[in-house]
Amino acid sequence: EPEVTQTPSHQVTQMGQEVILRCVPISNHLYFYWYRQILGQKVEFLVSFYNNEISEKSEIFDDQFSVERPDGSNFTLKIRSTKLEDSAMYFCASSRTAGTGELFFGEGSRLTVL
Amino acid sequence: AQSVTQLDSQVPVFEEAPVELRCNYSSSVSVYLFWYVQYPNQGLQLLLKYLSGSTLVKGINGFEAEFNKSQTSFHLRKPSVHISDTAEYFCAVVFNNAGNMLTFGGGTRLMVKP
Repeated sequence: EPEVTQTPSHQVTQMGQEVILRCVPISNHLYFYWYRQILGQKVEFLVSFYNNEISEKSEIFDDQFSVERPDGSNFTLKIRSTKLEDSAMYFCASSRTAGTGELFFGEGSRLTVL
Repeated sequence: AQSVTQLDSQVPVFEEAPVELRCNYSSSVSVYLFWYVQYPNQGLQLLLKYLSGSTLVKGINGFEAEFNKSQTSFHLRKPSVHISDTAEYFCAVVFNNAGNMLTFGGGTRLMVKP
């Protein structure tokens, strides 16, 4: 069964460092997303991406964040200068269509900022 | 303000007993409703969804949920749980047909005991 894969599963970084989280969405999906979950809090929407551009983003997704689809398979989330409060589980998701809410999620990348 | 609330953070239940996980939302606009499940060390997986039509929806693994518009609820039920149902369950809502931007509840940890 096709699945969304994420790397790394866990990354520890120093405050101020750049981090790139990688995702390989399901191959025939067209819509891509990043969500995050800070420990003990709700899963929160960050950004959606379609046709090589951001389609929606939340207020969390400020200038420190960027997304990219550098090739036909990868979808990346970059945090330019990490803060302590960026520590969270980051989930990548993809979907074939828009509007139905049926997203396929990866297992998550846990980011720890020290 | 639009929000999703799962009142129970943990629900312990014995195997073969029925269970109901509660979800309420706050919205004056149309909604799409979802339940996702997260098994240990896995990503979120769609259990079931309500987009329109019959208010009683059936999902995978014997789960069902009922949309109650007057009570703004979408409770998840299963008549007889198994040990393997132990997981975190997330209610999620798309408000006003806002693409695939899911707003999640805080999650309910279902703990099935033998």
